[in-house]
Amino acid sequence: SQQGEEDPQALSIQEGENATMNCSYKTSINNLQWYRQNSGRGLVHLILIRSNEREKHSGRLRVTLDTSKKSSSLLITASRAADTASYFCATDKAAGNKLTFGGGTRVLVKP
Amino acid sequence: NAGVMQNPRHLVRRRGQEARLRCSPMKGHSHVYWYRQLPEEGLKFMVYLQKENIIDESGMPKERFSAEFPKEGPSILRIQQVVRGDSAAYFCASSPGPGELGYTFGSGTRLTVV
Repeated sequence: SQQGEEDPQALSIQEGENATMNCSYKTSINNLQWYRQNSGRGLVHLILIRSNEREKHSGRLRVTLDTSKKSSSLLITASRAADTASYFCATDKAAGNKLTFGGGTRVLVKP
Repeated sequence: NAGVMQNPRHLVRRRGQEARLRCSPMKGHSHVYWYRQLPEEGLKFMVYLQKENIIDESGMPKERFSAEFPKEGPSILRIQQVVRGDSAAYFCASSPGPGELGYTFGSGTRLTVV
């Protein structure tokens, strides 16, 4: 299996509910980032958390990082239909280095 | 300030033909990364280049694939003698360089081999 695996693979929720997805990785990291990808489109950077940080917020997004467990979670609060997308975590060993992506969580927000 | 520009957006090639994918990094970015994404999967790193220099090609298949980032012009990912399994989305990203944040992705080139 690869560095950076998301769980669950797919998630279906009602608009207004929260969506939580997790990412696990294997080796030490410098940064962990979350990206969103709409179907057939490119990646949109959501949030970056450094290895010495434990939690970060950006609007309706909350990211946690537990380096002892080599895992991160992304919480989207009060979800909207427009949040329907695939979400990927990506890790690097140094800023500006290559990213290692997980397989993604496909989120469907039903109106 | 245009972002990372990739072209073409869609490319159709017959088996055995060559595919050339172009990537122009963001202004001020001198480092380029290529990734491949198969359907329903995450992105897989292929190659990392600086101007006129390949930094890391550990994710690049040994045969048929090559990449360059010349002193002038865009970075080129070249796939020779394409096969059906090369059908994928190919994404390019650029950054100012090691130790710098600001990784930015392009919209990708979707290659279909028929």
